[in-house]
Amino acid sequence: KNEVEQSPQNLTAQEGEFITINCSYSVGISALHWLQQHPGGGIVSLFMLSSGKKKHGRLIATINIQEKHSSLHITASHPRDSAVYICAVRRNNDMRFGAGTRLTVKP
Amino acid sequence: NAGVTQTPKFQVLKTGQSMTLQCAQDMNHEYMSWYRQDPGMGLRLIHYSVGAGITDQGEVPNGYNVSRSTTEDFPLRLLSAAPSQTSVYFCASSYSGVQPQHFGDGTRLSIL
Repeated sequence: KNEVEQSPQNLTAQEGEFITINCSYSVGISALHWLQQHPGGGIVSLFMLSSGKKKHGRLIATINIQEKHSSLHITASHPRDSAVYICAVRRNNDMRFGAGTRLTVKP
Repeated sequence: NAGVTQTPKFQVLKTGQSMTLQCAQDMNHEYMSWYRQDPGMGLRLIHYSVGAGITDQGEVPNGYNVSRSTTEDFPLRLLSAAPSQTSVYFCASSYSGVQPQHFGDGTRLSIL
């Protein structure tokens, strides 16, 4: 069993829909990261969380340390949000990654 | 600032050859790391460094060596390339291990 599980693996949405991507992990962590990988392959860090909630534009990330669960929400989704979203957890200097959620937003 | 620069972007090797993947950052970041990304498996940490002169193994270190002689550079060496090392390799850096990482554009490596 992977230490970091993401769901769903694939997600197709219509433009304007509210999107939720989930991440569950099984180990104690010092921080959780959400990354975005563009279709061209580049990776961008979206959020780093150790507790609570963070918001950046239309993106919101939450984490529940007790339940070992995090969610990434996208409000008013747009075709340019189409990408692979990756959850990663940090334990000391080690990083473990989920397999990613491929999001496609159709116009 | 250039950020994190990886070279080359593409490389084809024959089994048994050796090569070095270069990674440089100009942000004075202490923490640098190398990952490989394989289809269906996500990113996996190969080696990391918390500062010049300090390196440590990640999840999948076998077949790879690293060194960190300067803050800016963190090269990854394949000692004797094997087909199982065909992958996309990403280098990343951050101020510390608990800060958001900046990723390079990746090196697509094929071992024949």
